[in-house]
Amino acid sequence: AQSVTQLGSHVSVSEGALVLLRCNYSSSVPPYLFWYVQYPNQGLQLLLKYTTGATLVKGINGFEAEFKKSETSFHLTKPSAHMSDAAEYFCAVRGLGNEKLTFGTGTRLTIIP
Amino acid sequence: EAGVAQSPRYKIIEKRQSVAFWCNPISGHATLYWYQQILGQGPKLLIQFQNNGVVDDSQLPKDRFSAERLKGVDSTLKIQPAKLEDSAVYLCASSLTIPREGEKLFFGSGTQLSVL
Repeated sequence: AQSVTQLGSHVSVSEGALVLLRCNYSSSVPPYLFWYVQYPNQGLQLLLKYTTGATLVKGINGFEAEFKKSETSFHLTKPSAHMSDAAEYFCAVRGLGNEKLTFGTGTRLTIIP
Repeated sequence: EAGVAQSPRYKIIEKRQSVAFWCNPISGHATLYWYQQILGQGPKLLIQFQNNGVVDDSQLPKDRFSAERLKGVDSTLKIQPAKLEDSAVYLCASSLTIPREGEKLFFGSGTQLSVL
């Protein structure tokens, strides 16, 4: 079974600073990895995903993530934080075949003005 | 394009009462999911429908939870009787086809249930 671990339930960064949200996965097969974002009072929406090919994946709103098999990681980054980035971020994994999407516990990102 | 619609937005009930949530997925989406999101945790899949058939309900507490998707379109999730630990946000999601590889899920805003 696949699982993901998100390190840090709360992360605070200053506006304009680097955003780094950590995600490590556990999978016995090559995984498909996702980052979803949940803004207050809204549903989750897909930020980016890794399936195959290029290990550096670019998503919406300036976010990107790099799949590192040797470290079993899929950390989310953004060079310069914006106030509108304040939200909860979920890392998720799916294995091969028709397997369910398994989410991490989430990281709440706060942006300090 | 209209998104996934859910109602009600909030619901407060007492334990042992029953409650129902409704979801209308994006038009044409074959797969529908119900997730439970307890405060401080990630969403957990309760049930997955492919058209009007159940694909995965392994984590659905079947003694108290039930779900149906008549005609392969909208869906209802019911809890009867509710327990305190059922307090959570219930998220509905849909996807165009069967989940594979990078299939994207579209989520509704959820129903926040408080059981007192």
